[in-house]
Amino acid sequence: GIQVEQSPPDLILQEGANSTLRCNFSDSVNNLQWFHQNPWGQLINLFYIPSGTKQNGRLSATTVATERYSLLYISSSQTTDSGVYFCAVDRLGTYKYIFGTGTRLKVLA
Amino acid sequence: SAVISQKPSRDICQRGTSLTIQCQVDSQVTMMFWYRQQPGQSLTLIATANQGSEATYESGFVIDKFPISRPNLTFSTLTVSNMSPEDSSIYLCSVSGTASGAFFGQGTRLTVV
Repeated sequence: GIQVEQSPPDLILQEGANSTLRCNFSDSVNNLQWFHQNPWGQLINLFYIPSGTKQNGRLSATTVATERYSLLYISSSQTTDSGVYFCAVDRLGTYKYIFGTGTRLKVLA
Repeated sequence: SAVISQKPSRDICQRGTSLTIQCQVDSQVTMMFWYRQQPGQSLTLIATANQGSEATYESGFVIDKFPISRPNLTFSTLTVSNMSPEDSSIYLCSVSGTASGAFFGQGTRLTVV
């Protein structure tokens, strides 16, 4: 089956720093999303981005489907950005997502 | 986007017992799914909840252990049966099929003692 790898696995930043999270996938995909899981376990939908670039405030994402990767950019990080970031992909357009390994982010005040 | 309510939000259960988790959506949706997240791990799809027919289970998950009901297009339940400490996880329901992708409930944090 499709493999989804995220890097880095762990990241510690000072408040105000910028970062780039990467998601590599081993096969073509129909759907791709980025999620933020907060410390209470809730999964928050950041971007639905099977291709192209999107921006939402301090966050932006780019998916290059032909090269099988997606990037999540966080600018001017805040302590509330802490948590785990997951990308999830779906090969067949069924929304049966395969989740990546996750990036655990800690932002220090 | 759909609003998804899961109940209970957390529970502590004795081994050998069963727990039923409810997922309520504020609008009719075609696709509903159940995921499991074991401690420190990523999410894994358990099954697709099909309205009017039996759920479709992913490899490694069976109906006897995780029976699922979907009586209508806004509601589903997942039961974790005959629990053991290895079932301690976060269980999440998800709905999808929109141009915005998939959305998740707030999760049920289960601890089995």
